[in-house]
Amino acid sequence: KAGVTQTPRYLIKTRGQQVTLSCSPISGHRSVSWYQQTPGQGLQFLFEYFSETQRNKGNFPGRFSGRQFSNSRSEMNVSTLELGDSALYLCASSQDDSRNSPLHFGNGTRLTVT
Amino acid sequence: KQEVTQIPAALSVPEGENLVLNCSFTDSAIYNLQWFRQDPGKGLTSLLLIQSSQREQTSGRLNASLDKSSGRSTLYIAASQPGDSATYLCAVKGYSTLTFGKGTMLLVSP
Repeated sequence: KAGVTQTPRYLIKTRGQQVTLSCSPISGHRSVSWYQQTPGQGLQFLFEYFSETQRNKGNFPGRFSGRQFSNSRSEMNVSTLELGDSALYLCASSQDDSRNSPLHFGNGTRLTVT
Repeated sequence: KQEVTQIPAALSVPEGENLVLNCSFTDSAIYNLQWFRQDPGKGLTSLLLIQSSQREQTSGRLNASLDKSSGRSTLYIAASQPGDSATYLCAVKGYSTLTFGKGTMLLVSP
């Protein structure tokens, strides 16, 4: 079974631009969540989707948004990029939205904002 | 707001040693606690998930315990190997979010 796939692996953007990151969950998984990882703040929860609906959202500005498609694939958008948005963005999938469904992570997209 | 702390931040041990990594959290209203490992430049690999009603979980050389009332979890690694070198993170699932600690960077030398 293929794991969680994130594309692209690396991305370089300039301030003010926008970016779209993609995540394909494990086949059969219906829940997708996104995280930002930086050396200073560690891993922080961005948002979670289940069956195309946003279930939870972390404490990030409205420039960060996402969506989930009917095939469970998810995209994350960041508009008006700032230098501080440089980070590793990780996507995770789980089988359902039950409380104890283990998370499976992709290898992330490394975003650099210059 | 949930806060998760991992001690120590870094640990270096010789191969073969048994070791314990610690994780503490401030809000005991949790669904579960999960331990992950992260290799440099990679995503996270799930190691063990302990539900809030459980006290421990075991997988091979790994054993994780949970004391919800005191807000603590430990990850015990038996007979450590160089391949265990990685950053270990614990994450606590609350009602609306998943909160991570900043991790313990483990180096096991041959």
